[in-house]
Order: sequence, then structure tokens, then C-alpha cells
Amino acid sequence: GDSVTQMEGPVTLSEEAFLTINCTYTATGYPSLFWYVQYPGEGLQLLLKATKADDKGSNKGFEATYRKETTSFHLEKGSVQVSDSAVYFCALVRDDKIIFGKGTRLHILP
Amino acid sequence: EAGVAQSPRYKIIEKRQSVAFWCNPISGHATLYWYQQILGQGPKLLIQFQNNGVVDDSQLPKDRFSAERLKGVDSTLKIQPAKLEDSAVYLCASSPAWAVYNEKLFFGSGTQLSVL
Repeated sequence: GDSVTQMEGPVTLSEEAFLTINCTYTATGYPSLFWYVQYPGEGLQLLLKATKADDKGSNKGFEATYRKETTSFHLEKGSVQVSDSAVYFCALVRDDKIIFGKGTRLHILP
Repeated sequence: EAGVAQSPRYKIIEKRQSVAFWCNPISGHATLYWYQQILGQGPKLLIQFQNNGVVDDSQLPKDRFSAERLKGVDSTLKIQPAKLEDSAVYLCASSPAWAVYNEKLFFGSGTQLSVL
């Protein structure tokens, strides 16, 4: 069945460091891909999305490109801030069903 | 715009007890979802409502879990009796009727359940 695999956390970085959180997926057909973020004490929020191959989603300085050839949707940010500390979930949607990865906790040190 | 409201925020019960969670979605959102998020895992869909009808409950453990959305607005999720493995955060989410592929999901803060 469809699945999402993302790198295990926690990931700890210093402020202004470059961030990559890896995400790969397994799915038949052509799913839409998403990154959700969960800040402490809050619900999940959509961070960015891509609906077809080679699309790049971006928001708040984060980017991810839908790579069909490698079945990947890695999340990147050039310079992280303390306020980016949260749990990040990669997800795919196919046939109106959403499947989440296990989440990656990110800690940014000042 | 008010977000998705859930209560209680935390609940601690003993195994074999019953528990209920409440969710009030964003006004006007026709679709409501309950997810279970076990520590270290991503959210897993338990049940999806469209207005007051069930669209998908294939992953709901129906021997102990039940959910209703009688008037197509707020919803309750019940566990009876609870087991240790039910310890998790229970998330409610809603989306407008016109949402495509769930991309307009709005999540509540969740109810953290601990079963002792």
C-alpha cells in the first residue's frame, strides 16, 4: 500500500544553519505531496504542497520539489530560526486519502 | 476565523474505563475527520464524516470506538472500554466541502489520552 518514509529525529541545528529533512514515498499513480508542521501545543498546519512531478512548493522560506524519478519530496530551508522548532510531517494524498509519515522533530538552538 | 475546537485538552483514565472527546469544526466546514496519533507516529485516520454521514470508517476499531456527528456540526468520539494501547493524541480536523484531495485540512490542538 501507499506509504511515506521520513528521516528520524530529533534533528538539532544551530540558528542560520541549512536544513534538509528527507522524505520518500511509495504510491501507485500520481499522489499529491505535502509538508505539515506542528508547533508546540498547536494543531498540524499545512506548510507547503506540490501536486505534480517537478512542482516546487514553498512557504516561509521552506521549499520542497516533487521528484518522481526518486519518489522524494525533501524539505529544505537555507537559514533556520529558533521559531522553526517544531515537528514536521511529510504526507501524500491519493484518491482523497491522506497518509502521514511518522514526523521529524526539529530543534533549533540560538 | 475561529479554528477547530477540541476538548478536553488532556484526559487520564484507567483501562476498561470509558472516555469521550468533543470536536467543534470551523463554521461551515462539511467534512470532519478524527485521527489517532500515537507517540512517534504520524496521524492515522479513524473516521471521516461528510455532513452527518460516514464516508470512511475502515480503520475505526468498531468493537470499542464509536463516533457521531448528529447535526452535521460538532462531533464526539468515544472509547468504551479503553485499552492501554489507546494512549495517543486524538486529533480532529475539518475541511470545506469544496476541498480537493484534503489539502484544506484544518486541525485542532488535539486531546492527549493516557490510559493507565
